[in-house]
Amino acid sequence: DVKVTQSSRYLVKRTGEKVFLECVQDMDHENMFWYRQDPGLGLRLIYFSYDVKMKEKGDIPEGYSVSREKKERFSLILESASTNQTSMYLCASSTGTFSSGANVLTFGAGSRLTVL
Amino acid sequence: AQSVTQPDIHITVSEGASLELRCNYSYGATPYLFWYVQSPGQGLQLLLKYFSGDTLVQGIKGFEAEFKRSQSSFNLRKPSVHWSDAAEYFCAVGARGGSYIPTFGRGTSLIVHP
Repeated sequence: DVKVTQSSRYLVKRTGEKVFLECVQDMDHENMFWYRQDPGLGLRLIYFSYDVKMKEKGDIPEGYSVSREKKERFSLILESASTNQTSMYLCASSTGTFSSGANVLTFGAGSRLTVL
Repeated sequence: AQSVTQPDIHITVSEGASLELRCNYSYGATPYLFWYVQSPGQGLQLLLKYFSGDTLVQGIKGFEAEFKRSQSSFNLRKPSVHWSDAAEYFCAVGARGGSYIPTFGRGTSLIVHP
């Protein structure tokens, strides 16, 4: 089974701190994603990456950046955390070829971030 | 751009009762459709998907969904709900870009009464 691991399940940070959320997948997937999940708003795409060192903005990239230096690792960075970034963050991965059923996302368990 | 609407924020059913969760989509071409489930404290897990062919799709945990092009719907059904089915359910439609990224609905929270 594909496994997507988010290293931190719960984090508490202070306003203005720099925050790193790490995500690692073990099945050689080309695509990786960061979503934010808030009650009543569902999942909103922050950033995605379809290859090493490649990144694309999603629907809500403001206040976030990402890094993908290795294929298996995709990091989400909050340069200066704010209280409105308190949320659940979900990482996901998928293969890149549609013919293989690549649209299926495999999710990590999530990282719940609280910014005080 | 594609969009997904899940009209019901919460659904409450009794254990053993049948279930239908609604999903309507908007997309200009043949859609790729998904249902995911999120158990408390967990990430999302794929229940089933529709890419083409038979419009009635079987998934895991006894769930099925039917694609109805004329109604732009992809409703999720289960004939008899178990208490362990209590979870958040997300419908998704894809795609954009080369990797066909899905757009998710806002989710429906299923509450199961004993």
